[in-house]
Amino acid sequence: ETGVTQSPTHLIKTRGQQVTLRCSSQSGHNTVSWYQQALGQGPQFIFQYYREEENGRGNFPPRFSGLQFPNYSSELNVNALELDDSALYLCASSPSAQRGDYGYTFGSGTRLTVV
Amino acid sequence: GNSVTQMEGPVTLSEEAFLTINCTYTATGYPSLFWYVQYPGEGLQLLLKATKADDKGSNKGFEATYRKETTSFHLEKGSVQVSDSAVYFCALKSQGGSEKLVFGKGTKLTVNP
Repeated sequence: ETGVTQSPTHLIKTRGQQVTLRCSSQSGHNTVSWYQQALGQGPQFIFQYYREEENGRGNFPPRFSGLQFPNYSSELNVNALELDDSALYLCASSPSAQRGDYGYTFGSGTRLTVV
Repeated sequence: GNSVTQMEGPVTLSEEAFLTINCTYTATGYPSLFWYVQYPGEGLQLLLKATKADDKGSNKGFEATYRKETTSFHLEKGSVQVSDSAVYFCALKSQGGSEKLVFGKGTKLTVNP
């Protein structure tokens, strides 16, 4: 059983550019969530996708957008990058958005640096 | 809104010492509670969880009990090892709506031999 894989592992972008981060969910998991973890902080919820539809969003501006594909993999897109977007971006998958008694499986993250 | 407060670190212990990391939460209803661990350069790993009051989650010698009366979920381990050095995050997931996790800021633990 494969876990959650994210790519790339590291990325350096210039302010104003756009970036796409990718996530393959764990086998059998149909729900994917994205989190932003700034240095020294806990992860902050960006949004969640369930069966290709957005299923909740945190306090992030519209320039943060996402997609989920039929195979349940997902992308996080960030437009007009700002210096404060520098962070570790974590993807987490779970078996279903409808159950409440499970934990999420996290990937190792993508470290984004905006210069 | 929902929130999680963890004791601030860093925490430095000697091997075989007793560990407590305090965690309290604010939430409506009956959230599920989690402890995650993050080793250097890695993502988060689920350490243990509890889904209702008085439940005790346990794993790898770590334990935490869901205390609704004190809104707490303190992490404990009787004898820490050097390999336990990591950052520990307390988190909650509330009922209904999007199934998002709300995390505390994390507590860095260093265990010295």
